[in-house]
Amino acid sequence: GNSVTQMEGPVTLSEEAFLTINCTYTATGYPSLFWYVQYPGEGLQLLLKATKADDKGSNKGFEATYRKETTSFHLEKGSVQVSDSAVYFCALSDYLSGNEKLTFGTGTRLTIIP
Amino acid sequence: DTGVSQDPRHKITKRGQNVTFRCDPISEHNRLYWYRQTLGQGPEFLTYFQNEAQLEKSRLLSDRFSAERPKGSFSTLEIQRTEQGDSAMYLCASSLGWDTDNYGYTFGSGTRLTVV
Repeated sequence: GNSVTQMEGPVTLSEEAFLTINCTYTATGYPSLFWYVQYPGEGLQLLLKATKADDKGSNKGFEATYRKETTSFHLEKGSVQVSDSAVYFCALSDYLSGNEKLTFGTGTRLTIIP
Repeated sequence: DTGVSQDPRHKITKRGQNVTFRCDPISEHNRLYWYRQTLGQGPEFLTYFQNEAQLEKSRLLSDRFSAERPKGSFSTLEIQRTEQGDSAMYLCASSLGWDTDNYGYTFGSGTRLTVV
């Protein structure tokens, strides 16, 4: 079956530091990959996505590249801000195989200190 | 359109009681999904609807759980004879489907259930 393994947290960084949150996956088909973010008291929001190998998703300064050879989709940001403090979830969907559900990792709590 | 709405935001119930949650999706979205998120974990799929048809149910959805989407609009999730293990955040999401360029879910803020 499908699974997502995500870097365990919590992660605490100083403002303007470089961020990497690791994500690897196992899938039976050819999945699409996602990063979702959950700010305190809010619902999950789609941060970025990629649908095929070597695609790079990007949004709000965050980037992630779909690496089929290493089955990875690591999230990066060059200079984090206090407002980036949230929980980040890596997820996949094998919808091309008719499986529309999302499989999530366990989430990584990120705290940015001024 | 204000997005996906879930009601109530919080529910505290005694063990053995029945509870029902409601989800109102984005109006033009034909897909509706329910997920459950326990503390420190990622959301886990429960079930999904395309219009009014329930197309898939997870093994997590025991006989005590039932979901409906009459007329393909709002959806309800009912839990009968609640147990402490049912305490979780119940998330609803909707989408236009995966055959569009703008695919992806829109999640609601969730209903937090506490069973005491």
